[in-house]
Amino acid sequence: DAKTTQPTSMDCAEGRAANLPCNHSTISGNEYVYWYRQIHSQGPQYIIHGLKNNETNEMASLIITEDRKSSTLILPHATLRDTAVYYCIVRLSYNTDKLIFGTGTRLQVFP
Amino acid sequence: DTGVSQNPRHKITKRGQNVTFRCDPISEHNRLYWYRQTLGQGPEFLTYFQNEAQLEKSRLLSDRFSAERPKGSFSTLEIQRTEQGDSAMYLCASRPGIGADTQYFGPGTRLTVL
Repeated sequence: DAKTTQPTSMDCAEGRAANLPCNHSTISGNEYVYWYRQIHSQGPQYIIHGLKNNETNEMASLIITEDRKSSTLILPHATLRDTAVYYCIVRLSYNTDKLIFGTGTRLQVFP
Repeated sequence: DTGVSQNPRHKITKRGQNVTFRCDPISEHNRLYWYRQTLGQGPEFLTYFQNEAQLEKSRLLSDRFSAERPKGSFSTLEIQRTEQGDSAMYLCASRPGIGADTQYFGPGTRLTVL
């Protein structure tokens, strides 16, 4: 199972872009990169996922490097409500879809 | 609200007691997952069901833990003879069996064992 490495914590000013990095150097060719976040006292919430192309949705953008060994989640205009723990997850093999969470990055958005 | 619901939201029990938690998944989601989360850690997978069949169990799921999903709809997680180390947030998630593979999580049940 590919493991991920994320910074423990990050700060971001409200209205600015938040760029959250993730290293997954042992990712295999058929593994996707998923991002979830967990706001305090709530269950995790899906944000976005991708295989090798950059992805964008209403919540965020996901940039995956060409060698797929790292990725960056971008929140283009962070708000106070984006304060949460962000988890980068590499999905396991095709036959099982349990999620393996690391300790994530605690993003603090300040006014 | 059509999201995943969990009950109770909080449970305080004494060591040695049995507890049972319930999870109601999103309607027509045939896959259901249980995770456990301790303070400062990410959620850890416990088990999952496809309809009523329990397809995978983590080694974290000791013989004191049992999960059921008898009719393929709601699920229960029971912990027998609780220990202080069982104190955690127990999270349930569901997803459709085909198509989108996003897991939708409930708010969790926080268990405190005294």
